Amino acid sequence: DIQMTQSPSSLSASVGDRVTITCRASQSIDNFLHWYQQKPGKAPNLLIYAASSLESGVPSRFSGSGSGTDFTLTISGLQPEDFATYYCQQSYSTLFTFGPGTKVHIK
Amino acid sequence: EVQLVESGGGLVKPGGSLRLSCAASGFTFSSYTISWVRQAPGKGLEWVSSISSGTATPTFYADSLKGRFTISRDNSKNSLYLEMNSLRAEDTALYFCARADPGDFHFDQWGQGTLVIVSS
Repeated sequence: DIQMTQSPSSLSASVGDRVTITCRASQSIDNFLHWYQQKPGKAPNLLIYAASSLESGVPSRFSGSGSGTDFTLTISGLQPEDFATYYCQQSYSTLFTFGPGTKVHIK
Repeated sequence: EVQLVESGGGLVKPGGSLRLSCAASGFTFSSYTISWVRQAPGKGLEWVSSISSGTATPTFYADSLKGRFTISRDNSKNSLYLEMNSLRAEDTALYFCARADPGDFHFDQWGQGTLVIVSS
């Protein structure tokens, strides 16, 4: 199976900050990497697909980059509604896997 | 409007069985790969199983399940199922069904989940 790691596991940030979350795959996954946001008690919400494509309706302050094994999710200008947990997920293999998540706290 | 609505969760004793359902609407169900994803209390997301679109409908499972779960679909009823056997305490989780985009299989639509609690 392809293993996914994320760093950091949690971070504290203030409104307006630029936040970067890293996701790493245990082998090359080309650009089959996707990012989700989840708030407590809710289903995950797709933010970025294919490493860098912004899902329709998602604010442009969210962006993604990377290819191969290393990927980043950047939030440019953190907003109050962005405090949540973020997961990466690979679909290169038919056995999909998620990263362990990064929780973004209010500083 | 695309909708995925899970049902069938509940309290079950260790070693017991449960069948989850996911009712889909608002899209051509038969054309999409659909997956089950679970989340244990306070934990992260874990992909459980997927079933492909089309007539052959290959199925895929997380290695950790060790053959205890079976995914199936009924395209005539726009429904997805998960048969869970030999349930363990560690199967306690909120189970989501999710639609996978046909291009690169990102999950573009999710249900709200159904809760399974395995406890004596």
